[in-house]
Amino acid sequence: GQNIDQPTEMTATEGAIVQINCTYQTSGFNGLFWYQQHAGEAPTFLSYNVLDGLEEKGRFSSFLSRSKGYSYLLLKELQMKDSASYLCAVRDLGATNKLIFGTGTLLAVQP
Amino acid sequence: EAGVTQFPSHSVIEKGQTVTLRCDPISGHDNLYWYRRVMGKEIKFLLHFVKESKQDESGMPNNRFLAERTGGTYSTLKVQPAELEDSGVYFCASSPGRGAGNTIYFGEGSWLTVV
Repeated sequence: GQNIDQPTEMTATEGAIVQINCTYQTSGFNGLFWYQQHAGEAPTFLSYNVLDGLEEKGRFSSFLSRSKGYSYLLLKELQMKDSASYLCAVRDLGATNKLIFGTGTLLAVQP
Repeated sequence: EAGVTQFPSHSVIEKGQTVTLRCDPISGHDNLYWYRRVMGKEIKFLLHFVKESKQDESGMPNNRFLAERTGGTYSTLKVQPAELEDSGVYFCASSPGRGAGNTIYFGEGSWLTVV
């Protein structure tokens, strides 16, 4: 079966660092995406990992370990505007390369 | 550059009626996807077009759902007749290719409420 797990909710303080974990068990793997989604808006692409290791993009970093079926999204210097839902999605193998999503982690950044 | 656009943004219809959702992908993107999120659940794949051809429709719930992409540009998703359980957010997404590294871009979604 296909299973992607991430915490439902997290709370963090403005200026701090937060790590959002994602574990997956899928029949195929062709990369892992992180999206940010504000309420009522489109999921916005944040990062993509296909090889093991850390990808850094400004305040956002994403890590992947394929052997452990594990990824995390690291957000530094948190800002209030970072309050959003963060979606972990695995790209399936095959001709479609469809995305398999977790339920998302709702992050609340507090002053 | 315009992103993926969807219409309508919100729709409220009665059970048994028909609704047609439209998606305009990013210009030049051959790959177009439909996804759906029902209340409290994760976003789930419905189907995938490559240009005007259906590549994979394994996620379509039943034959009340019909997707088309005539001419390989915009796509429509019709629900006929709508049932209560069809309520949710319908996302359209597009990408230029299918290989590793091709980012998939999402629209804001069409919120459908069936009453």
